[in-house]
Amino acid sequence: DSGVTQTPKHLITATGQRVTLRCSPRSGDLSVYWYQQSLDQGLQFLIQYYNGEERAKGNILERFSAQQFPDLHSELNLSSLELGDSALYFCASSVGEGQAISGNTIYFGEGSWLTVV
Amino acid sequence: DQQVKQNSPSLSVQEGRISILNCDYTNSMFDYFLWYKKYPAEGPTFLISISSIKDKNEDGRFTVFLNKSAKHLSLHIVPSQPGDSAVYFCAARGVYSGAGSYQLTFGKGTKLSVIP
Repeated sequence: DSGVTQTPKHLITATGQRVTLRCSPRSGDLSVYWYQQSLDQGLQFLIQYYNGEERAKGNILERFSAQQFPDLHSELNLSSLELGDSALYFCASSVGEGQAISGNTIYFGEGSWLTVV
Repeated sequence: DQQVKQNSPSLSVQEGRISILNCDYTNSMFDYFLWYKKYPAEGPTFLISISSIKDKNEDGRFTVFLNKSAKHLSLHIVPSQPGDSAVYFCAARGVYSGAGSYQLTFGKGTKLSVIP
């Protein structure tokens, strides 16, 4: 158990709909990261928040948005869903700001499986 | 365009033997490399890393080798154990994305099966 909690674990929804994925970081971690893993791709970095502020942006679509709340939990909002958005969405957290800084280990949650039909 | 490639989707190794997982990258600006291990129904966990100023880093049974001229890195597991059976992701750091943060680029992963 990494200490990172993601809900829901599985979600099935129709095209055109909107869903919200939720993430609670490890206690004490200030950074939250979102990643997408689709069937034919590796892990794709989407976005990072640090202590409530957006810190880094990766391959996140305009239809997607995220935020980190004062209690440090984060939500990833996916709208106008398409079939190609079906994927495993990981949340991760770390104490520090840098997702690839030596010593700042990133801890991943178990992921949220999204299926768009 | 995939900047980090793990060309072997799967690998089977006998228990006690060496497992060698390979990773190639195309971006010469990558300066830090990591390996993650993922079990089914779990998130990836950090395994080992190496800076581009080194060519080898060792941690117990796990050793990562970096060949910068070939833009190639490999993870060696010796001896392999059944508990090592998992998907292994190679990741590379590059593209400074903001204050104190970098972006990680992951490969698609290699599924290692260690046969007892």
